[in-house]
Amino acid sequence: DAGVTQSPTHLIKTRGQHVTLRCSPISGHKSVSWYQQVLGQGPQFIFQYYEKEERGRGNFPDRFSARQFPNYSSELNVNALLLGDSALYLCASSFRTGNTEAFFGQGTRLTVV
Amino acid sequence: EDQVTQSPEALRLQEGESSSLNCSYTVSGLRGLFWYRQDPGKGPEFLFTLYSAGEEKEKERLKATLTKKESFLHITAPKPEDSATYLCAVQAPSSASKIIFGSGTRLSIRP
Repeated sequence: DAGVTQSPTHLIKTRGQHVTLRCSPISGHKSVSWYQQVLGQGPQFIFQYYEKEERGRGNFPDRFSARQFPNYSSELNVNALLLGDSALYLCASSFRTGNTEAFFGQGTRLTVV
Repeated sequence: EDQVTQSPEALRLQEGESSSLNCSYTVSGLRGLFWYRQDPGKGPEFLFTLYSAGEEKEKERLKATLTKKESFLHITAPKPEDSATYLCAVQAPSSASKIIFGSGTRLSIRP
């Protein structure tokens, strides 16, 4: 079975631009979560979607948005990019919300210049 | 405020030298504690879930234990391939969807 897949793997954007990151969960998993990981720190929770509805949101500005599609894949959008948005963006999939282990993709390395 | 603190930040061991990593947490009403392994430039790899004090889980050279205030990841006779960052995370009681991660412990095993 394929694991969690994310695209693209690397991305370079200019300040002020917009970016869309994509995630396909493990087959059968209905929940997708997004995390931001800055170098040397643990991942920080951004969003969780379950059955196409937002189920949780972390402390990130409104420039960050996401959605989940009928096939359970997901997109993370970031508008008006800042230098501080440079990070590894991780997608995690799980069967449901709550106390279930999450399986992570390889991440998208975003660099804002 | 819900918080997860890991120590030490970095640990260098000789191959075969056993040790423990610590994860202390301050959450009211723990719903689950997770350990992950992360290699450089890659996503975290799930290792264990612990739910209640006294619970223990093992996988190869790793054993995770849980008390009411902290969790330990014991590494027995480590090998160079165990070198990685080990992340601890807890299920936030305020939100079933939110997982709070610590900053991790960077483990390096010298041959």
